[in-house]
Amino acid sequence: GAGVSQSPSNKVTEKGKDVELRCDPISGHTALYWYRQSLGQGLEFLIYFQGNSAPDKSGLPSDRFSAERTGGSVSTLTIQRTQQEDSAVYLCASRSGNTRSDTQYFGPGTRLTVL
Amino acid sequence: SQKIEQNSEALNIQEGKTATLTCNYTNYSPAYLQWYRQDPGRGPVFLLLIRENEKEKRKERLKVTFDTTLKQSLFHITASQPADSATYLCALDALYSSASKIIFGSGTRLSIRP
Repeated sequence: GAGVSQSPSNKVTEKGKDVELRCDPISGHTALYWYRQSLGQGLEFLIYFQGNSAPDKSGLPSDRFSAERTGGSVSTLTIQRTQQEDSAVYLCASRSGNTRSDTQYFGPGTRLTVL
Repeated sequence: SQKIEQNSEALNIQEGKTATLTCNYTNYSPAYLQWYRQDPGRGPVFLLLIRENEKEKRKERLKVTFDTTLKQSLFHITASQPADSATYLCALDALYSSASKIIFGSGTRLSIRP
């Protein structure tokens, strides 16, 4: 079956502009994560959605970052007034259940470059 | 502070040898630890999970050990092949952490030369 997909694969934007990154999780997966990966760094947790529960936003670095998940499926990560330090690869992952040890399936990521 | 550390330098191994990667952590009490493989331009792919009450886990040419006293996990690839060249990430879940947070290391880049 289809895996996790993300779009766009690459995004170049100017400082100060808003960007939207999209994640299509595996069908039926109730859990969805967003991570950020800077060059040579580990994955930085951003936000987590589980079913209809309130999302865990504890990893969002500032109020310029927000995310939503419509209908328990597709998710959009929005970065407002982008800064150069926002440049990174943004990865989305989904998981089938609510057990933390269940495997996360990652998308290919969106590479964001802020000029 | 809580930290998870992996070999920061790339590891270069001759084909056929065993590659050993290290993951150390401090100030966590993980319920389990996972290893992922990441190729350039791709998202991580899950390889193995080992729980706190398990000493060792194997999958084909892969072996993971977990020493909660040393706060360390070792990831071994036996009979290494050039196709094993990738970045390997460890990730752990900490008991009593938030319901969602899994902490990733920065990864170790492994190169297997023919």
